[in-house]
Amino acid sequence: LAKTTQPISMDSYEGQEVNITCSHNNIATNDYITWYQQFPSQGPRFIIQGYKTKVTNEVASLFIPADRKSSTLSLPRVSLSDTAVYYCLVGALGGRDDKIIFGKGTRLHILP
Amino acid sequence: NAGVTQTPKFRILKIGQSMTLQCTQDMNHNYMYWYRQDPGMGLKLIYYSVGAGITDKGEVPNGYNVSRSTTEDFPLRLELAAPSQTSVYFCASSYEGAHSYEQYFGPGTRLTVT
Repeated sequence: LAKTTQPISMDSYEGQEVNITCSHNNIATNDYITWYQQFPSQGPRFIIQGYKTKVTNEVASLFIPADRKSSTLSLPRVSLSDTAVYYCLVGALGGRDDKIIFGKGTRLHILP
Repeated sequence: NAGVTQTPKFRILKIGQSMTLQCTQDMNHNYMYWYRQDPGMGLKLIYYSVGAGITDKGEVPNGYNVSRSTTEDFPLRLELAAPSQTSVYFCASSYEGAHSYEQYFGPGTRLTVT
């Protein structure tokens, strides 16, 4: 499973666009990139998943360059409620993959 | 749909006691997982199951056991509780399918072993 590296923490202000980058130099051909959000005392919540180029949903965008060695989660116009920990996961889940690793994530703190 | 439910929400155990953490999902997902999360850390996979009757060890299985007799239920058993097992335990489930990491998590069980 590809190891991921993310910033430990980030601060931003309400109304700003926030970009969190994840490095995954050893990503395999079959691996997908997935991001989760976790609020205190809650389980993680799926945000977005992608394989290449750009994926957008109602919550976020995910940008993946051609070499796929990194990815960027983009949160448009953040609010205080976006303060959370964000996890980047890389892997292929099909069959009996036992190496699902969340890592420590990025603690995003939104300021008023 | 209730999604993924876990009981109990909180529990305090004495060293050496045993208990079972319950997890149930009503989404007909084949895949189910147990994670633990220590303070300030990410989640670590304890056990997972790809269907009824099939379970596999994850990253940190020692001290735990699981069973999967039905699609809906995936209980986690702690035998001889130790202080190192103080943690928050999350159960999750997902659709069967290659390349899908969209897991649905329960609210967690906060366990303290003293």
